[in-house]
Amino acid sequence: DIQMTQSPSSVSASVGDRVTITCRASQGISSWLAWYQQKPGKAPKLLIYAASSLQSGVPSRFSGSGSGTDFTLTISSLQAEDVAVYYCHQYYNTPLTFGGGTKVEIK
Amino acid sequence: QITLKESGPTLVKPTQTLTLTCTFSGFSLSTSGVGVGWIRQPPGKALEWLALIYWDDDKRYSPSLKSRLTITKDTSKNQVVLTMTNMDPVDTATYYCAHSSSAVAANFDYWGQGTLVTVSS
Repeated sequence: DIQMTQSPSSVSASVGDRVTITCRASQGISSWLAWYQQKPGKAPKLLIYAASSLQSGVPSRFSGSGSGTDFTLTISSLQAEDVAVYYCHQYYNTPLTFGGGTKVEIK
Repeated sequence: QITLKESGPTLVKPTQTLTLTCTFSGFSLSTSGVGVGWIRQPPGKALEWLALIYWDDDKRYSPSLKSRLTITKDTSKNQVVLTMTNMDPVDTATYYCAHSSSAVAANFDYWGQGTLVTVSS
């Protein structure tokens, strides 16, 4: 199984700050990586697919980068509505696996 | 507009079999490349993929749960059913079904609202 390790596990930042979340795969997954946002009590929402492609309707302050084993999700200017847990997800092969999540809070 | 909704029991007893139904609209599971997956999330924990079924009836399972899971589809009813045998309290979780638009790229672009299943005697 491909293990997905996210860091940090939580981050607290001010509105307007740049926030970066990293995800490392235990083996190369090319660009077969997605990022999801999950707000409390809600289902996950796809933000980024193919490592860097923005899902339709997602604000442009969200961006993704990376390939192989190391990936990042960046929120260029944190907004109050971005408070959520963010998960990375590899779909290079099955079993599909998710990272442990990163909780983003407002300072 | 793609929507999915999970249904099933909210409470099951240990050793019982759980049957969950995902009813969807806005797409067909007979369209090439399309898939529907199940993912669960224990309270306060991370997401865990369980199973995935494709338009051509190709089925994939989590190896750690494969012996307990069965996924089927009813294209005419726009439904996907997941059964999980021998339920245990550790299986208490919110269970989600989700749409995948490509067999090559199995990310999940639409999700159901989830259904919380509690396993307790």
